[in-house]
Amino acid sequence: GNSVTQMEGPVTLSEEAFLTINCTYTATGYPSLFWYVQYPGEGLQLLLKATKADDKGSNKGFEATYRKETTSFHLEKGSVQVSDSAVYFCALRENRDDKIIFGKGTRLHILP
Amino acid sequence: GAGVSQSPSNKVTEKGKDVELRCDPISGHTALYWYRQSLGQGLEFLIYFQGNSAPDKSGLPSDRFSAERTGGSVSTLTIQRTQQEDSAVYLCASSRDNNYGYTFGSGTRLTVV
Repeated sequence: GNSVTQMEGPVTLSEEAFLTINCTYTATGYPSLFWYVQYPGEGLQLLLKATKADDKGSNKGFEATYRKETTSFHLEKGSVQVSDSAVYFCALRENRDDKIIFGKGTRLHILP
Repeated sequence: GAGVSQSPSNKVTEKGKDVELRCDPISGHTALYWYRQSLGQGLEFLIYFQGNSAPDKSGLPSDRFSAERTGGSVSTLTIQRTQQEDSAVYLCASSRDNNYGYTFGSGTRLTVV
């Protein structure tokens, strides 16, 4: 079945460091891919998405590129801030199946 | 409403009791989803409603779990004879159609003691 695998956390970085959170997926078709973020005490929010191969989703300085050849959708940010501390979820949705399948989440701590 | 509203925000119940969790989706959103978020388990899909179609119940973990959606709007998730392993945050989300991401509610934190 469809699944999402993302790097286990927690990930701890210093402010202004470069961030990569790896995400790979398994799907039978051509899914849409998402990154969701959950800030402390808040609900999940859509961070960015990509709907086809080679698309790049971006928001708030974060980027992720849909790589069909490696079935990956790694999240990157060039310079993280303390306010980026949160749990990040990689997710996919098959075109024929409306429910979104989430990874287990990666907790990110940014130290000042 | 402006967002997805869930109630109660917190629920503590005794093992063996039944609980009902409510979700009020965004007005006009035809799709409604329930997920469960447990520590270390990520988000687990439970059930999905789309318009008047039969719900996708493939994620419900046991027959103690059920959900309904009345009038295509409000949804209630019911857990019968609660067990300690049911303790989790139950999240509801709604979506306008297949091409949009979800909007999540803040969740109901259920603790079974």
